[in-house]
Amino acid sequence: DIQMTQSPSSVSASVGDRVTITCRASQGISSWLAWYQQKAGKAPKLLISVVSSLQSGVPSRFRGSGSGTEFNLTISGLQPEDFATYYCQQANSVPFTFGPGTKVDL
Amino acid sequence: QVQLVESGGGVVQPGGSLRLSCVASGFTISDSGLHWVRQAPGKGLEWVAFIRYVENNKDYLDSVKGRFTISRDISKNTLFLQMNSLRVEDTAMYYCAKEEYRAFHYWGQGTLVTVSS
Repeated sequence: DIQMTQSPSSVSASVGDRVTITCRASQGISSWLAWYQQKAGKAPKLLISVVSSLQSGVPSRFRGSGSGTEFNLTISGLQPEDFATYYCQQANSVPFTFGPGTKVDL
Repeated sequence: QVQLVESGGGVVQPGGSLRLSCVASGFTISDSGLHWVRQAPGKGLEWVAFIRYVENNKDYLDSVKGRFTISRDISKNTLFLQMNSLRVEDTAMYYCAKEEYRAFHYWGQGTLVTVSS
């Protein structure tokens, strides 16, 4: 199975800050890397698919990058509604593993 | 618009069974890949199972193989997860999700399964 790790596990930030979350895969996953945002008590929401493809309606301050086994999610100009937990996920092979999550809070 | 609505969760004793349903609207499930993803209380997301396009294209998380079965009723546009021999560690919110280009674009609101004596 492909293991996914994320760093940091949590980050304290302020409105307007730039935040970068790193996701690493235990082996190459081609471009099958997605990012999700989850707020308390809600279902996850897809932000970015295939490494860098921003989903419709997602603000452009969210950017995905990377290749091979290391990927980043950058939020430029953090907004109050961005305080949430973020998960990466690989879909290169079954089981489609998620990272452990990164909590972004004040 | 695409909508997924789960039901069937509840409290069950270890060793018991539950059948989860996910009613889909806004698309045809026979043309789609559908997944179950779970989240234990206070924990992260864990993929459980998928069924894609043709009926025999299914797979499962190792820890649920032989206990869980994913299926669908195309006439009802509904996805199912039959869960047998439930364990305490299966306690979680269970979400169904619609896959597009290997990402989960749409999610239901979830249904809570609690396995406890």
